[in-house]
Amino acid sequence: LAKTTQPISMDSYEGQEVNITCSHNNIATNDYITWYQQFPSQGPRFIIQGYKTKVTNEVASLFIPADRKSSTLSLPRVSLSDTAVYYCLVGDIVGSQGNLIFGKGTKLSVKP
Amino acid sequence: GAVVSQHPSWVICKSGTSVKIECRSLDFQATTMFWYRQFPKQSLMLMATSNEGSKATYEQGVEKDKFLINHASLTLSTLTVTSAHPEDSSFYICSARDNLGQGNEKLFFGSGTQLSVL
Repeated sequence: LAKTTQPISMDSYEGQEVNITCSHNNIATNDYITWYQQFPSQGPRFIIQGYKTKVTNEVASLFIPADRKSSTLSLPRVSLSDTAVYYCLVGDIVGSQGNLIFGKGTKLSVKP
Repeated sequence: GAVVSQHPSWVICKSGTSVKIECRSLDFQATTMFWYRQFPKQSLMLMATSNEGSKATYEQGVEKDKFLINHASLTLSTLTVTSAHPEDSSFYICSARDNLGQGNEKLFFGSGTQLSVL
């Protein structure tokens, strides 16, 4: 059962790069790392997923070191609309077996 | 990406009545769907796993007789909050996973339902 630990909150300014790190010391061999974004009163939205090294898509990059015990979500040049809660999940998405647990997430506040 | 539609977006009901929330996967088949509840400024809490054609699996502490889940087809799961009370007021969210059967499965979430019980 991979538990994740993230900072509770982060502040940034528009145009800056934001890096949110998630610790998952007990990650299993078959686990993937997935990040979701949630705006108030909305369901979470998939951002990015990775297994090792680096993954990049049109909205973010995900850096995973060789030991996979942590991961870093990188948001380039954030804007006000990136203000949201970001969740790091680790597992194979079998909820009833406890592999999919939402931690407290990181509340990112982007200021003008 | 895949789309999950959840209805209604919000509902207000009187105490003692039942409320049904629908969750549909619009462009993919979902043999498994999940139901969560979320209180203000808190994280999502998994309530149950909904399996098509079989009984749902409830997390510890979730009353299965109060939160009825039906997953009659590969694209529809419903959550019925029976005899709702004010303490059931919460934000309910469903999700479905793609069915690729690979380790890198992803979850796709509905837009949520805000339930207010008077």
